Amino acid sequence: ETGVTQSPTHLIKTRGQQVTLRCSSQSGHNTVSWYQQALGQGPQFIFQYYREEENGRGNFPPRFSGLQFPNYSSELNVNALELDDSALYLCASSLPGSYEQYFGPGTRLTVT
Amino acid sequence: AQSVTQLGSHVSVSEGALVLLRCNYSSSVPPYLFWYVQYPNQGLQLLLKYTTGATLVKGINGFEAEFKKSETSFHLTKPSAHMSDAAEYFCAVSDRSYNTDKLIFGTGTRLQVFP
Repeated sequence: ETGVTQSPTHLIKTRGQQVTLRCSSQSGHNTVSWYQQALGQGPQFIFQYYREEENGRGNFPPRFSGLQFPNYSSELNVNALELDDSALYLCASSLPGSYEQYFGPGTRLTVT
Repeated sequence: AQSVTQLGSHVSVSEGALVLLRCNYSSSVPPYLFWYVQYPNQGLQLLLKYTTGATLVKGINGFEAEFKKSETSFHLTKPSAHMSDAAEYFCAVSDRSYNTDKLIFGTGTRLQVFP
């Protein structure tokens, strides 16, 4: 059974640019959640996708957007990058109603 | 709204000593509670969870936690620390409002284990 995978592992972007992060969910998991973890902080919920629809959103601006594909993989897109967007971005997959979320290794984004 | 508070951003213990990491929660509904561990440059790994039933929950790597409703606590313990336990630990509560199942995390506790 394959766990949650994310790509890329690291990337560096310049302020104002756009970035796309990718996530493949654990086999059979049709719900994907994205979290932002700033240095020294706990993860903060960005949004969740279920059956290709956004199923809840945290306190993040609209320049954070996402997609979920029929195979349940997901993308997180961030437009107009700001320095404060530098963080570890974590993807988690789950079965609906299971309450257990399985996390990927994360993507470390640095905005300069 | 649900929230968790982790008391102590850093905890240091000697190898073989008791590990106690504190977590208090606030929830308007019966909480679902979790402990996750994060090793350097890695994602989060689920240690254990409490949903319903037995209030003493056993997890991986010898960790356990006890749900105490009267104290709104869910402290994580391990009888004997090992060097490999050094990591960041996060307590989380499940927020199941608006049909979204999201996790609300504490700020984390960094565990150091000395030989």
